[in-house]
Amino acid sequence: KAGVTQTPRYLIKTRGQQVTLSCSPISGHRSVSWYQQTPGQGLQFLFEYFSETQRNKGNFPGRFSGRQFSNSRSEMNVSTLELGDSALYLCASSFDPLAGGELFFGEGSRLTVL
Amino acid sequence: QKEVEQNSGPLSVPEGAIASLNCTYSDRGSQSFFWYRQYSGKSPELIMFIYSNGDKEDGRFTAQLNKASQYVSLLIRDSQPSDSATYLCAVIEGKLIFGQGTTLQVKP
Repeated sequence: KAGVTQTPRYLIKTRGQQVTLSCSPISGHRSVSWYQQTPGQGLQFLFEYFSETQRNKGNFPGRFSGRQFSNSRSEMNVSTLELGDSALYLCASSFDPLAGGELFFGEGSRLTVL
Repeated sequence: QKEVEQNSGPLSVPEGAIASLNCTYSDRGSQSFFWYRQYSGKSPELIMFIYSNGDKEDGRFTAQLNKASQYVSLLIRDSQPSDSATYLCAVIEGKLIFGQGTTLQVKP
């Protein structure tokens, strides 16, 4: 079956701009989680959506937001980009991670902020 | 204190040796624990999960959980160069939280 698809794979933005990343989960999965991965901080939890509702949120500023659509596809948005937002953004889908469901990760969107 | 802590390494072991990877967590109420493996340039993938105190074996991999001491470990027996990767410990603490990961290098 098709895996988790993230678009775009690579993007370059400048400070102050905003960006929208997209994630299509595995068919049947109702949960989508977003993580930021950097060499210094590892995998940092951004937020998790389950059946269109944000169920959990990590410790990121309000510039980071997301949403989930009725078909379980999810988007995350970062506004007023800062240099420190340069990272790999990983999306993961699951039946339900809080019930021990395995996370299946996409290949990520690598964001570079200049 | 970080919620999930791992030694970033690198941990270097010779081929055929046992690699021991450790993780501690802060939430005593945590019930579910996971080990993910991430090869360089790739996304993480699940290799083991454990819910009960004690050991759980799957091929060359053994996960160990000690809830009283709040640590979980992963043993890799007969380590192979193909095991060289970053190993991420993950714990459900209201949400799935990952440690920073331990880089394992298996030298031929």
